[in-house]
Amino acid sequence: IAGITQAPTSQILAAGRRMTLRCTQDMRHNAMYWYRQDLGLGLRLIHYSNTAGTTGKGEVPDGYSVSRANTDDFPLTLASAVPSQTSVYFCASSPRGGGGDEQFFGPGTRLTVL
Amino acid sequence: GQNIDQPTEMTATEGAIVQINCTYQTSGFNGLFWYQQHAGEAPTFLSYNVLDGLEEKGRFSSFLSRSKGYSYLLLKELQMKDSASYLCAVRDSNYQLIWGAGTKLIIKP
Repeated sequence: IAGITQAPTSQILAAGRRMTLRCTQDMRHNAMYWYRQDLGLGLRLIHYSNTAGTTGKGEVPDGYSVSRANTDDFPLTLASAVPSQTSVYFCASSPRGGGGDEQFFGPGTRLTVL
Repeated sequence: GQNIDQPTEMTATEGAIVQINCTYQTSGFNGLFWYQQHAGEAPTFLSYNVLDGLEEKGRFSSFLSRSKGYSYLLLKELQMKDSASYLCAVRDSNYQLIWGAGTKLIIKP
């Protein structure tokens, strides 16, 4: 089934630990995104990639890193988790990344940092 | 700064019509999107406007006025399954989406 998958579904993590959230799409979309969603706030862009091999910083990149080694995968790494990174994380993709492209979202990862 | 404003919550009756407003101030404008998000789920695309006017898609319509920095989503013949949050997002000059906090729509029988 075409779409975006994320893993894990949820995770509880001790502060200071390293964590990688996985995201894979099989739609051959060029652009991919990582957002965090917090209660009362809109989705905030963490990092994005317009095509394999390139990445860019979004609105809230500090404490996060990404890589885009191929078209399908776009992992998000928290090098040393802090409680303020407790959030729901959504990965998304779009065919080209511009104009009227809609973004397709994965099911999300609920992360709690204690 | 960039800002997207939507009402936090609205309540409507099954079978009725509801209009959800969105006002925006962004650095550049390359289109406005509406997404639906049911509780605990991912956002899903509803509509896209880049030119002024009304776009109709079944029970849902979306309107845009670029000069006023204003859009609305109109939902007709409301059904219980329409209970969800509705997210307004604007694509800015960097072609990134700036998101509003969303409007939680509660449908009552």
